[in-house]
Parts: sequence; C-alpha cells; structure tokens
Amino acid sequence: AQSVAQPEDQVNVAEGNPLTVKCTYSVSGNPYLFWYVQYPNRGLQFLLKYITGDNLVKGSYGFEAEFNKSQTSFHLKKPSALVSDSALYFCAVRFSGNTGKLIFGQGTTLQVKP
Amino acid sequence: GAGVSQSPSNKVTEKGKDVELRCDPISGHTALYWYRQRLGQGLEFLIYFQGNSAPDKSGLPSDRFSAERTGESVSTLTIQRTQQEDSAVYLCASSLGELLTGELFFGEGSRLTVL
Repeated sequence: AQSVAQPEDQVNVAEGNPLTVKCTYSVSGNPYLFWYVQYPNRGLQFLLKYITGDNLVKGSYGFEAEFNKSQTSFHLKKPSALVSDSALYFCAVRFSGNTGKLIFGQGTTLQVKP
Repeated sequence: GAGVSQSPSNKVTEKGKDVELRCDPISGHTALYWYRQRLGQGLEFLIYFQGNSAPDKSGLPSDRFSAERTGESVSTLTIQRTQQEDSAVYLCASSLGELLTGELFFGEGSRLTVL
C-alpha cells in the first residue's frame, strides 16, 4: 500500500543548529514528494517538492530536502534553525498511476529553542 | 480573494444535526481537495475533485458525508446526522490542474465541534 511515514512526533533543536525532519515513503510507482508547514492557527503552506531531476531541492525559508531513492526517503533540512521555524511539518506523496490524491504523513512538530 | 476561502471558520453543532461547509478555491484552480484534521493528528484525505467530477472519494468515512462542486468553483462538504467523532478541522485545498506535480494551496479550515 502507498504510504508516507514521519517517524518522529517531535524534533527539538537549538537555534543556529542544523535541523532534519525525517520522511520515508512507500509507493509502487514514481513518487512525487512534498513538504508543507503549518504554523499555529494558520493554514498549511507549501515548502518544496521533488518531481524529477536533482535529488536536492530547495524551497521557501531556507529549507531544502534530499530525495534518496535507495532509502525511499525525503528528509527536510535546514543548515541553521530559527526560533520562528517552530511549527508542524508534514511530508506528503503522490505517485504515478494514482488519481492525484496527496497522502500526508502524521506530521512532526519542530521546536527550536533560543 | 487571492487564497482559498472556507466558511464558516468555526461551527458548533449538536449531535444529530446536519452541517454544511463551504470552500471557495483560487480562481482558475481545477483541482479541489477536502481533508480532515483531528486534534493532534495528521491530515486524513476525504475527497478530490477535478472540475466538478470526483475521481477519488475513497476517504469519505461514511454515507453521512457527501460533497459536491459546481463547475470549477465552490465546493460544499455536507455531514448529516453529525456525531461527536466528526469534530475536527476540515481543510480545503485547490491546485492548478497538474495532476501529479502541482502543489496544493490550503484554506485556513473550518473547525467543527459536535456537542
């Protein structure tokens, strides 16, 4: 079955340190991978996506993500975390052959402490 | 408006009543999605429209849930005979018609509380 997993409910980092939010997926076709962020009392916002091409994709607010086909992962990264990055992050996947439905992971809360 | 608009933003209802939630997508967006987000949980897919047809309604939890869309515009999600477990934030999103590669633009949601 097609699915996406975020193994960590919460990630804590100190401001200025690098951060990683993990995502793995399971699809039968070519995956199309997305990251979204949800700030408190706000709607979800698109951060970045991998469709094809370079495995490292860059997105909004200095975030980037690396597509790793052999490990079926799409981890979100940022070299230097800000307190304002604290939010709920969702990984999502579509796959070739489906109807266009976007499947979301359970979300990871990122807490950046000053 | 520039973004996806949802109404009402908050709805409190009594168990057994029907509710209707509305979504106005971004103009020109052919794809429209409904998701449910229970407190502290991830996004649960409900239904997806391409134009006014629904290629995938596999996520609707029961026959109490239905949705329709007028052309490539407004969509309504109707929940009949509401139950307490229906309490959640209902999120609507729209997308340009790139079926697999287009990102979704989300509204701020309709928070439903069933007493």
